Amino acid sequence: GENVEQHPSTLSVQEGDSAVIKCTYSDSASNYFPWYKQELGKGPQLIIDIRSNVGEKKDQRIAVTLNKTAKHFSLHITETQPEDSAVYFCAAVPNTGFQKLVFGTGTRLLVSP
Amino acid sequence: GAVVSQHPSRVICKSGTSVKIECRSLDFQATTMFWYRQFPKQSLMLMATSNEGSKATYEQGVEKDKFLINHASLTLSTLTVTSAHPEDSSFYICSAAPTTVATNEKLFFGSGTQLSVL
Repeated sequence: GENVEQHPSTLSVQEGDSAVIKCTYSDSASNYFPWYKQELGKGPQLIIDIRSNVGEKKDQRIAVTLNKTAKHFSLHITETQPEDSAVYFCAAVPNTGFQKLVFGTGTRLLVSP
Repeated sequence: GAVVSQHPSRVICKSGTSVKIECRSLDFQATTMFWYRQFPKQSLMLMATSNEGSKATYEQGVEKDKFLINHASLTLSTLTVTSAHPEDSSFYICSAAPTTVATNEKLFFGSGTQLSVL
């Protein structure tokens, strides 16, 4: 089955710096890669996603890149703000549906003012 | 965007009692909903897949008689933790995917329920 590794587990940056979180997956059948932001005591919120036929996607300060050959994808947050502090999860999903969604282990991002 | 409402957000109960958690898709229909469990500082673990009008599919190691799932309509799924014990204390999260989109396009999560069993 699919295995998703996520690094780093914790990331501390200064406000205004960029943050990068990396994930690798094992199953070449995975073709949808969402990223979720989870604040303390809340459910995950979809912040950006990418499909395997696309190499990069950007939404304001957030971007995701995908290297299908190497089976890794990354989340890039520019001009970080304290409100970006949260736990971020990557995930990999095959075209058979979300019952096969596999989450990464999470990255705790702390943005200091 | 699509909203998934989950209630209650927090519940404290005595050992041996049952607790029901509701998950509603507010502005879309969802043939399938998912229930997850999350321990502190860990990732989400899928417990079961809830299918409207049919029996839920449970992941290996999840007791179906312990965690009863009912998906009676296209907008509501419920999870009942029966005879709860302290080890059932956890953060439970539901999710739903709009029926009108492809099988793996867009999944939205509820806000979670923190269950504490005394």
